[in-house]
Amino acid sequence: EAGVVQSPRYKIIEKKQPVAFWCNPISGHNTLYWYRQNLGQGPELLIRYENEEAVDDSQLPKDRFSAERLKGVDSTLKIQPAELGDSAVYLCASSLVSRGPGETQYFGPGTRLLVL
Amino acid sequence: SQQGEEDPQALSIQEGENATMNCSYKTSINNLQWYRQNSGRGLVHLILIRSNEREKHSGRLRVTLDTSKKSSSLLITASRAADTASYFCATDDVYKYIFGTGTRLKVLA
Repeated sequence: EAGVVQSPRYKIIEKKQPVAFWCNPISGHNTLYWYRQNLGQGPELLIRYENEEAVDDSQLPKDRFSAERLKGVDSTLKIQPAELGDSAVYLCASSLVSRGPGETQYFGPGTRLLVL
Repeated sequence: SQQGEEDPQALSIQEGENATMNCSYKTSINNLQWYRQNSGRGLVHLILIRSNEREKHSGRLRVTLDTSKKSSSLLITASRAADTASYFCATDDVYKYIFGTGTRLKVLA
């Protein structure tokens, strides 16, 4: 079974440019998460989807970040415009459900973003 | 905000020794998970322990949970060079998990 797929793996952009990350979760997983991980820190949740509905986006900087999961499968996270402080690893994870058996999250390899 | 705090921040041991890392958290939880992250890679789930459990084993891993002290420990026995990684605890907060800052473990061959 394929794991969580993310692309690109690395991205270098200049500040004020837009950038987008793509994630394809494990087949059948209804819940999808986007995390940001700064150097030397643990991941911090940006947004959580239950199917196509964003049920927790309280940590998403909505002035420049947006996300979508149109058909309840793959998802895109966008930053426009990017700032220097957005340099981090962006991790996508999925789980069968968000509560109860099957709530274990499976992570993708991440996209390492460098904003110059 | 980070609820879980791992201790120590970094740990260096010889191959074959045991490694113990601790996680403290602030609010009541339903469960706690431990994850491993190798350099430059995503996180891999190791073990989940529920609030009504005190100890759990998986291979060379032993996890304990003390809800009265709001703490958990992860023990890796007979460590190997391949265990070199960062280890994170994650505690549930309503419908999301909050990760700690991690313990960076280095196992020397």
